[in-house]
Amino acid sequence: GQNIDQPTEMTATEGAIVQINCTYQTSGFNGLFWYQQHAGEAPTFLSYNVLDGLEEKGRFSSFLSRSKGYSYLLLKELQMKDSASYLCAVMDSNYQLIWGAGTKLIIKP
Amino acid sequence: GAVVSQHPSWVICKSGTSVKIECRSLDFQATTMFWYRQFPKQSLMLMATSNEGSKATYEQGVEKDKFLINHASLTLSTLTVTSAHPEDSSFYICSASTGVHTEAFFGQGTRLTVV
Repeated sequence: GQNIDQPTEMTATEGAIVQINCTYQTSGFNGLFWYQQHAGEAPTFLSYNVLDGLEEKGRFSSFLSRSKGYSYLLLKELQMKDSASYLCAVMDSNYQLIWGAGTKLIIKP
Repeated sequence: GAVVSQHPSWVICKSGTSVKIECRSLDFQATTMFWYRQFPKQSLMLMATSNEGSKATYEQGVEKDKFLINHASLTLSTLTVTSAHPEDSSFYICSASTGVHTEAFFGQGTRLTVV
């Protein structure tokens, strides 16, 4: 079967750095996406990785290792508004998105 | 980025009635649109994939006669929940893409409550 694993919940302090991990087992691989979802709202796109390595975009960076079936989302200089769920999704060989359950990130002052 | 507009953002309906949700891509042509359902504290669950001009492909366990999907143009897809029941209460989200290898752009979501 196909599955995406990510921690259910994480807590971090304002101004700090947090890394949210995602491991996956899918039928084929055509890229990995990270989305941010605030409660009651639709997800918003954060990043897309299809090649190994680190992609940096402002305070957010995403890393991918295809051989390990592993990715992480790194958030720096955390702000209270970063409190949200972070969804990892993998596009499989049929170009369908397989979604993780999301990681709820709680930021404390 | 591209804009996807979903309407209504919330709706309350009586059990047994039907509700239509619209999903529009405002500034791009969406060859493919996806409909998701999300229960509280759960991940997105893909209900169906629709390609413009053809019948939607439903995921296993999703009743196609209950959740009617129409994708008549490259900018509009609709989801109609027929004979709604309280267990259909959920957050329904559409997303649209211009094709493969592209990110999906999400609508704002529709909070459906069936009473």
